[in-house]
Amino acid sequence: GEDVEQSLFLSVREGDSSVINCTYTDSSSTYLYWYKQEPGAGLQLLTYIFSNMDMKQDQRLTVLLNKKDKHLSLRIADTQTGDSAIYFCAEAPQTGANNLFFGTGTRLTVIP
Amino acid sequence: NAGVTQTPKFQVLKTGQSMTLQCAQDMNHEYMSWYRQDPGMGLRLIHYSVGAGITDQGEVPNGYNVSRSTTEDFPLRLLSAAPSQTSVYFCASSLSGDQPQHFGDGTRLSIL
Repeated sequence: GEDVEQSLFLSVREGDSSVINCTYTDSSSTYLYWYKQEPGAGLQLLTYIFSNMDMKQDQRLTVLLNKKDKHLSLRIADTQTGDSAIYFCAEAPQTGANNLFFGTGTRLTVIP
Repeated sequence: NAGVTQTPKFQVLKTGQSMTLQCAQDMNHEYMSWYRQDPGMGLRLIHYSVGAGITDQGEVPNGYNVSRSTTEDFPLRLLSAAPSQTSVYFCASSLSGDQPQHFGDGTRLSIL
């Protein structure tokens, strides 16, 4: 199946920017997603980008997509302690099926 | 709207027992999916449905059955529970194949 990879851990200081990276293998991916999971909770959709876009910005969140390198990143500006969570990258490889392949998740720790 | 509702939130079973994990959504979404989340492995797709009466297998379907008799409900059945099925199970739904999936809060299942 498709392979989606993320680094496991990231620590940043409060107020700094966080950048979470993701690589994927399926060049036919239609949508790429970022989800946030807080302890003991479900997955919260943060943002997503269509494969024909390079960048999407939504308040403190910026998503960059490099389709040539199959690399996706999520930048969180002015990171807050409430941003501490696990962040999952996911790709939807088939149009119309919407079955997601997830990375292992990156645990973001924000240091006050 | 309640969104995606999963019951129960927690369950402990003995090996060989059967049970049904319930999932309901009130958003009139056509697509519904079941994932399992294991430590260090992200989420993996078990089964999915693109509409009432239609189901298909995902990446890890063995040991699980599903049915979709209504648009709202998508139960997941464990036929004969095994310790390898200890996991957190998430149900998700989306309006269509090109729309983001929304997740329930999960069912934490332990098989002894």
